[in-house]
Amino acid sequence: SAVISQKPSRDICQRGTSLTIQCQVDSQVTMMFWYRQQPGQSLTLIATANQGSEATYESGFVIDKFPISRPNLTFSTLTVSNMSPEDSSIYLCSVYGRVGQETQYFGPGTRLLVL
Amino acid sequence: AQSVAQPEDQVNVAEGNPLTVKCTYSVSGNPYLFWYVQYPNRGLQFLLKYITGDNLVKGSYGFEAEFNKSQTSFHLKKPSALVSDSALYFCAVRGGMDSSYKLIFGSGTRLLVRP
Repeated sequence: SAVISQKPSRDICQRGTSLTIQCQVDSQVTMMFWYRQQPGQSLTLIATANQGSEATYESGFVIDKFPISRPNLTFSTLTVSNMSPEDSSIYLCSVYGRVGQETQYFGPGTRLLVL
Repeated sequence: AQSVAQPEDQVNVAEGNPLTVKCTYSVSGNPYLFWYVQYPNRGLQFLLKYITGDNLVKGSYGFEAEFNKSQTSFHLKKPSALVSDSALYFCAVRGGMDSSYKLIFGSGTRLLVRP
């Protein structure tokens, strides 16, 4: 399985500011995703990060609020913009390693608290 | 529409006793089914999966799960629970023909193993 790291692991931010979360994989992967896990909740898919093109966002999530970059096959960033306390969550990136691989692996998550 | 149900918010079991965490699903076509575990302040760890073949699949840490097509279920089991198994468990599904590779997660079940 791929080894996935995320930076920062946690942060406390003021409302109105933005935070960029990095996801680094130790090998080239075909697909990368970003999820949100609100306190006490399950995981909700934010978007699919597409290499070299705009991300594909799920219903309820927009690019202006959650811009995503994926410049290559091992790295992606998620920015949480103009934050409010409702954005306090764990943000996780996940990957599929190779075409046809069936298992999705997750990074350790970034714990965000917005005051 | 694809969906996953985990009917129990919490499961309590004594150490050494067998445990079962329930999951039912709804998906078009053949399901790809997964169990993940989340320990406090950690990301999601993959436990096991069913893609095809034997209905009983074995995974990490002594866990196993049984795929039941007629009941559309994929319950997680372990013959003898450990205190260290206490964590949050998520069932997830995707359709085998779903080219988006998106996972749909259940609401999660908290497992508490008493010494």
